[in-house]
Amino acid sequence: NAGVTQTPKFRVLKTGQSMTLLCAQDMNHEYMYWYRQDPGMGLRLIHYSVGEGTTAKGEVPDGYNVSRLKKQNFLLGLESAAPSQTSVYFCASSYSTANTEAFFGQGTRLTVV
Amino acid sequence: GEDVEQSLFLSVREGDSSVINCTYTDSSSTYLYWYKQEPGAGLQLLTYIFSNMDMKQDQRLTVLLNKKDKHLSLRIADTQTGDSAIYFCAHAGNRDDKIIFGKGTRLHILP
Repeated sequence: NAGVTQTPKFRVLKTGQSMTLLCAQDMNHEYMYWYRQDPGMGLRLIHYSVGEGTTAKGEVPDGYNVSRLKKQNFLLGLESAAPSQTSVYFCASSYSTANTEAFFGQGTRLTVV
Repeated sequence: GEDVEQSLFLSVREGDSSVINCTYTDSSSTYLYWYKQEPGAGLQLLTYIFSNMDMKQDQRLTVLLNKKDKHLSLRIADTQTGDSAIYFCAHAGNRDDKIIFGKGTRLHILP
């Protein structure tokens, strides 16, 4: 049982490049989330999904897109990376938000130069 | 609003109790959580409390909730070096699909 797996773990991008971060969970969870963590800012919600085929915007969605084509996968895309997107990205999943635990991946450290 | 406020740093001597405080603004918050993040790792759920509870105790952890003041605290008894981490307060509403986190409190243990 792997839990929540994020790939890649590290990446360096040049400004303007695109990339996709992959999050996979094997717990049959309905809810999945993408957060970014920055010093002094805590965790901020980028996008989330309450089930296969659905996505919704979080607190800081600009510059990112997501897709949830399969229940177990939640993809985060950066179409044109900017230095302001340098961050550590965390994916999480949960059965639901109410009275349940959210399980986190180990994070992806992204640097945009 | 959905703001969750925490102080950023706390230093405690080993063996003392640590108290980490959190305030939130969303009065509809139903579930309140404390997560722990160790260096280089993701977050792990420590404990949670329903909004209809005042207190929850789990071994060395005690959570106190003052719903009137929208204040949540986490007390760690007999703080150990292994408790050194960032602690996040978080909440979700009853009809909410989102879990909103505070900025986190970095707990530093003094010898």
